[in-house]
Amino acid sequence: AQSVTQLGSHVSVSEGALVLLRCNYSSSVPPYLFWYVQYPNQGLQLLLKYTTGATLVKGINGFEAEFKKSETSFHLTKPSAHMSDAAEYFCAVTVYNTDKLIFGTGTRLQVFP
Amino acid sequence: DTAVSQTPKYLVTQMGNDKSIKCEQNLGHDTMYWYKQDSKKFLKIMFSYNNKELIINETVPNRFSPKSPDKAHLNLHINSLELGDSAVYFCASSHYLGGVEGANEKLFFGSGTQLSVL
Repeated sequence: AQSVTQLGSHVSVSEGALVLLRCNYSSSVPPYLFWYVQYPNQGLQLLLKYTTGATLVKGINGFEAEFKKSETSFHLTKPSAHMSDAAEYFCAVTVYNTDKLIFGTGTRLQVFP
Repeated sequence: DTAVSQTPKYLVTQMGNDKSIKCEQNLGHDTMYWYKQDSKKFLKIMFSYNNKELIINETVPNRFSPKSPDKAHLNLHINSLELGDSAVYFCASSHYLGGVEGANEKLFFGSGTQLSVL
């Protein structure tokens, strides 16, 4: 069975600091991996996704994530945090030819001035 | 023009009541979903419909009955509401892609319905 684990339910950074949100996955077959962001009182938006090809994927708002098979990880990073990045971030995995996303429990990112 | 819209945004009701949440998408997608987000922000899929046909039903109580009158709509009816049903319910839609590209390449989510059962 596929699953994702997000380490740290809360992450706090200062504005301008590096953002690192951790996600590890478990999958017996090649996974498709996603990061979604949820701003307060809104639905989810796709930040970026990895399916095949280049293991470093770039998404919207300056975020990027690297698929590391050897570490079964797909951590989300951003070099410099903005106040507007404060939100809940969800890592998700789906499996080839299925119609199902499995979400992690989310990480709340707080950005301090 | 909202891509995925769901109504109502807030729903407060008593235990035992029956209520419905409506969802509509104008993206031309053929697959729609209901997700439940609990108080700990954990998201879990409830149902998935493709071309009005039920594809996924994830061990959801029979009190929950989705209905898809056409590809652009997926409504959720809940009978005999219980306290544990309190959550945020998200509707979503996507193209259904089999094969190499896989399904769920991108989900478009509605803004959620906050259901509070008293």
